[in-house]
Amino acid sequence: DIQMTQSPSSLSAFVGDRVTITCRASQSISSYLNWYHQKPGKAPKLLIYAASSLQSGVPSRFSGSGSGTDFTLTISSLQPEDFATYYCQQSYSTPPTFGGGTKVEIK
Amino acid sequence: EVQLVESGGGLVQPGGSLRLSCAASGFSFSSYSMNWVRQAPGKGLEWISYISSSSSTIYYADSVEGRFTISRDSAKNSLYLQMNSLRDEDTAVYYCASGGYSYAYDHWGQGALVTVSS
Repeated sequence: DIQMTQSPSSLSAFVGDRVTITCRASQSISSYLNWYHQKPGKAPKLLIYAASSLQSGVPSRFSGSGSGTDFTLTISSLQPEDFATYYCQQSYSTPPTFGGGTKVEIK
Repeated sequence: EVQLVESGGGLVQPGGSLRLSCAASGFSFSSYSMNWVRQAPGKGLEWISYISSSSSTIYYADSVEGRFTISRDSAKNSLYLQMNSLRDEDTAVYYCASGGYSYAYDHWGQGALVTVSS
């Protein structure tokens, strides 16, 4: 199975800050990398697919980059509604696997 | 509007069985592959099963292989998960999600809580 490692596991930031979350795969997954966020008590929501494609309806302050084993999710200007837990997920091979999550909290 | 609505969760004793359903609306259900993803309390996300649009391809996570069965009924726009021989560690919120395999999970249900406890 492909292991997905996210860092950091948590971070604190101010509204308006630029935030970067990284995800590393245990082997090359090309661009088969997706990002979700999840608010407490709610279902995950797709933000970015295929490493850098913005899902319809998702604000443009979210962006993704990377290929191979190293990927990044960037929020250009953190908004109050962005405080949540973020997960990366590889769809390169079965079983699909998720990172452990990054909790983004208010500073 | 795409909607996925899970039902059938609840409290079950270890060794028992439960069947989850996921009712789909707002999209062409018969054209989409579907998945079940679960989340144990306070933990991360775990994919557990995939079914292709035609039901010809099915995958399971090792953790549920031989105990859980995924199926779908396109006439009813519904996805199912039959869970047998339930264990304490199967306690989780179970989500149905569209997409998967080489693609992202683009729509999710609200989740159904399954608690396995004596």
